[in-house]
Amino acid sequence: IAGITQAPTSQILAAGRRMTLRCTQDMRHNAMYWYRQDLGLGLRLIHYSNTAGTTGKGEVPDGYSVSRANTDDFPLTLASAVPSQTSVYFCASSDGLAGDNEQFFGPGTRLTVL
Amino acid sequence: GQNIDQPTEMTATEGAIVQINCTYQTSGFNGLFWYQQHAGEAPTFLSYNVLDGLEEKGRFSSFLSRSKGYSYLLLKELQMKDSASYLCAVKDSNYQLIWGAGTKLIIKP
Repeated sequence: IAGITQAPTSQILAAGRRMTLRCTQDMRHNAMYWYRQDLGLGLRLIHYSNTAGTTGKGEVPDGYSVSRANTDDFPLTLASAVPSQTSVYFCASSDGLAGDNEQFFGPGTRLTVL
Repeated sequence: GQNIDQPTEMTATEGAIVQINCTYQTSGFNGLFWYQQHAGEAPTFLSYNVLDGLEEKGRFSSFLSRSKGYSYLLLKELQMKDSASYLCAVKDSNYQLIWGAGTKLIIKP
């Protein structure tokens, strides 16, 4: 693994189903993030984790949950999917919060909820 | 509220220069980032500004004026591969990135 991986690449999901999007990084970064990207809108932060064992809510957390049991993994769960959660989901990580610590992005998961 | 504004779309000619503007209003300021995103791909880091002035990196330069809440990304000697969306993002007082909707740059031969 080099960088950040996400799985699955794409998924079509029936409304009401539960779904977990996986994210793994091998850069030993402390901070990790989940964004959704919708046409015409900027990336919107769903949840974040500043370090293993801690998580926080972003701008649009409703309907999503996360966990950070270790440094490398940061799964995002949709407990009961709804069509408005159709989006492209990006996981990202950064070495720290302050200064010029850039965020590195995974390749994204394209999710369609019908 | 927090707001990042950038033009939705711009068109330029191969070999020319283009300037993409970004204005922001955020709760606090801990730096401004520019990212490039090709269609169907993930964003990738281009530049970071935290002090006023111009940062140059090859064909790309980024300028910041904190008093005006303004930045621009300057792309020189445009190549077809520069066709992409360019995302402006500001790190706010909580060290979270607030993102603009992006500017789609179309390069014509």
